[in-house]
Amino acid sequence: DVKVTQSSRYLVKRTGEKVFLECVQDMDHENMFWYRQDPGLGLRLIYFSYDVKMKEKGDIPEGYSVSREKKERFSLILESASTNQTSMYLCASSSGTARNTIYFGEGSWLTVV
Amino acid sequence: GDSVTQMEGPVTLSEEAFLTINCTYTATGYPSLFWYVQYPGEGLQLLLKATKADDKGSNKGFEATYRKETTSFHLEKGSVQVSDSAVYFCALYDWSYGQNFVFGPGTRLSVLP
Repeated sequence: DVKVTQSSRYLVKRTGEKVFLECVQDMDHENMFWYRQDPGLGLRLIYFSYDVKMKEKGDIPEGYSVSREKKERFSLILESASTNQTSMYLCASSSGTARNTIYFGEGSWLTVV
Repeated sequence: GDSVTQMEGPVTLSEEAFLTINCTYTATGYPSLFWYVQYPGEGLQLLLKATKADDKGSNKGFEATYRKETTSFHLEKGSVQVSDSAVYFCALYDWSYGQNFVFGPGTRLSVLP
């Protein structure tokens, strides 16, 4: 079975804190993604990565950064958390083939107070 | 650019009713098509997929047929259960549109006993 694991299901952080969301996949996938999901706004792509040490901005990268030092791990970083970053964050991965499928983790609920 | 349109929800049905959730798409190339399901508080799970025209994806009693002539991939189930209550996302992957997936806004289904 495919497995995408997000390190924290629920987090509560204070405004201005630095926040790390970790994601690990065990499928040897080239591509990894971070999405944000908010009511009424659907899934919005924050960042994605095609390979180790590579990253590309998605639709809403402002206020976020990412790190991919190893193929299996993709981290989302909030340098200075703000209340408008309270949301559900979804990590996903896919292979680099033409007919691939994307697989999601269980999500991380972040509340910034 | 590529896009996915789904019927607006929420959809409320009685148990054992027939379900249809409409999905249409626009794509630059020849995409793969997917349905994902999200149960409350969880990430997205792959429900079914189809990679070429006239393919039928099926899983857990759900079906969808890739209709290239109408650019559609409607989700159907003959008899829904309370446990099918969830949000359903239609999605596509178009190799010619970069290595990203495009998701519809999601349709919330509530099944009443």
